[in-house]
Amino acid sequence: DAKTTQPPSMDCAEGRAANLPCNHSTISGNEYVYWYRQIHSQGPQYIIHGLKNNETNEMASLIITEDRKSSTLILPHATLRDTAVYYCIVSLGGADGLTFGKGTHLIIQP
Amino acid sequence: DVKVTQSSRYLVKRTGEKVFLECVQDMDHENMFWYRQDPGLGLRLIYFSYDVKMKEKGDIPEGYSVSREKKERFSLILESASTNQTSMYLCASSTSDRSSYEQYFGPGTRLTVT
Repeated sequence: DAKTTQPPSMDCAEGRAANLPCNHSTISGNEYVYWYRQIHSQGPQYIIHGLKNNETNEMASLIITEDRKSSTLILPHATLRDTAVYYCIVSLGGADGLTFGKGTHLIIQP
Repeated sequence: DVKVTQSSRYLVKRTGEKVFLECVQDMDHENMFWYRQDPGLGLRLIYFSYDVKMKEKGDIPEGYSVSREKKERFSLILESASTNQTSMYLCASSTSDRSSYEQYFGPGTRLTVT
């Protein structure tokens, strides 16, 4: 799996959009970009994934650059419950395990 | 909703004991995984299985074994527990549908070996 680079921490005001960046410059053509988050003392939670196109679901939006070397996870209206560590992962998927880096600790401020 | 359950949230064992960690998923997923999570090291893959009775080593299999006799159940075994196996253990499952490879995690088992 290719490696990813994320800022170690970010703050965001409650109600604002949280934009979490991720660099994955060595991603290969058939690797997906996955985002997970982990709230303290819980197992990681899947958020969203994509290959080339931008994706949106009920939790978030994923914007992938045209060259696929970076992506941004957008939480449109952050709440205090969105405070967590967010992991950006590139993977072939399937039976491959996921390689979790250190992620970004997102803190939502009231 | 996918549900992945783990047999215990907290477990305390003595050095040298044989330890079984059980994981059950209810979504008929083909793939199952065991990770451990340690401060500063993130999640690391121990073993995974893509079918019943099939298993593959992950990044840190030493000191562990696994068993998958039924599709819904994946067990992690510490043959002789050691203090350096004190950790949070996380189980996950996923489908083999290439369009839907997300992994669903259980709540974790915090194991302390004394």
